[in-house]
Amino acid sequence: EAQVTQNPRYLITVTGKKLTVTCSQNMNHEYMSWYRQDPGLGLRQIYYSMNVEVTDKGDVPEGYKVSRKEKRNFPLILESPSPNQTSLYFCASSPFGGRGYGYTFGSGTRLTVV
Amino acid sequence: DAKTTQPPSMDCAEGRAANLPCNHSTISGNEYVYWYRQIHSQGPQYIIHGLKNNETNEMASLIITEDRKSSTLILPHATLRDTAVYYCIVRVERGGADGLTFGKGTHLIIQP
Repeated sequence: EAQVTQNPRYLITVTGKKLTVTCSQNMNHEYMSWYRQDPGLGLRQIYYSMNVEVTDKGDVPEGYKVSRKEKRNFPLILESPSPNQTSLYFCASSPFGGRGYGYTFGSGTRLTVV
Repeated sequence: DAKTTQPPSMDCAEGRAANLPCNHSTISGNEYVYWYRQIHSQGPQYIIHGLKNNETNEMASLIITEDRKSSTLILPHATLRDTAVYYCIVRVERGGADGLTFGKGTHLIIQP
């Protein structure tokens, strides 16, 4: 089944403890991105990647890092999480840089930083 | 990207067609209309998109007015599982570098 898989689904962590949220897609898509969703603010793009080793900032990149060493994986790294990064996170992928195609989203990761 | 306006909520009876409107009066010639939906805290789901012609797939139909200033998403036989927030997004296909801009959408509630 074609899908975007995120792990973990739920995570509670403490301020400052580095964490990684994994994202993997099995559709051979070039384009991958990360979003966060907060009440009243909607979905906002954090980082995106057009292909392997090509990443760029979205609208809210502060406090996050990403890497794209393989086409299928696009992990989101929080080096020193803070409570304002408590949010619902979604990974998405699309073929051909999103041209003319919809995006496939993962099921989400609910992160709580205390 | 052009701004969109959608009603905040709508009700529809199960089995009937759900017609969700979207206004995008400032749309430019190279902007597509996309529809996504999000079922409570799940990942958004792509439904359909179009440029100027009407489009239909296994999930829905998209009707775009001739002047392209508005569109309607039609779910032909709504079921309870179609209860979700529906987002109308207008964007240029710039190779995906620009992220999707989700507004507040329309909360569609299917009544039994």
